[in-house]
Amino acid sequence: GAVVSQHPSWVICKSGTSVKIECRSLDFQATTMFWYRQFPKQSLMLMATSNEGSKATYEQGVEKDKFLINHASLTLSTLTVTSAHPEDSSFYICSARDPQGEQYFGPGTRLTVT
Amino acid sequence: GEDVEQSLFLSVREGDSSVINCTYTDSSSTYLYWYKQEPGAGLQLLTYIFSNMDMKQDQRLTVLLNKKDKHLSLRIADTQTGDSAIYFCAETATGGGNKLTFGTGTQLKVEL
Repeated sequence: GAVVSQHPSWVICKSGTSVKIECRSLDFQATTMFWYRQFPKQSLMLMATSNEGSKATYEQGVEKDKFLINHASLTLSTLTVTSAHPEDSSFYICSARDPQGEQYFGPGTRLTVT
Repeated sequence: GEDVEQSLFLSVREGDSSVINCTYTDSSSTYLYWYKQEPGAGLQLLTYIFSNMDMKQDQRLTVLLNKKDKHLSLRIADTQTGDSAIYFCAETATGGGNKLTFGTGTQLKVEL
């Protein structure tokens, strides 16, 4: 099946710094990618829909200036957590939709802000 | 908005069948999915069912859909220790832009 990678798989950063997470579709082109956030023992919450070549669509309650999304190519979307704080610590998962409409999930990135 | 609920925890013995249940509220759901998440990992799509179907079988997995009651279940036959994970149901709805709404997740523990 299709493969989606995320980098890094885990990151620890200091409060106030910014962190960039990459999501890549390795063997297909994805015009649409999704970013999710998952707290421990909880479900995935959709943060935003990333469309190649256009602005991301954010879900209600998600600060677009804090979670910057860039989808510059058909195989890469990035999520930058700006001025990170401990409450931003979470598991971030991306998914990419293939031309047939099926979504494939990345392995996730564990962010810890100290 | 859409609401998808699951029981939090299920424990079964190895070799038994597991049944994980899910209820949803959106009557315009088009596809319903079951995903598996192992610790510290992303989601693996196990199976899905179109809303006009009431059953789908795929090897050890059987999905039952009761659209009238908005109830979805996943049955795992001959459950193995490798099946221990969190299972999420999810749905997409007409006009939802293929956005997935996930259930709360059920932690399945398989005991020897």
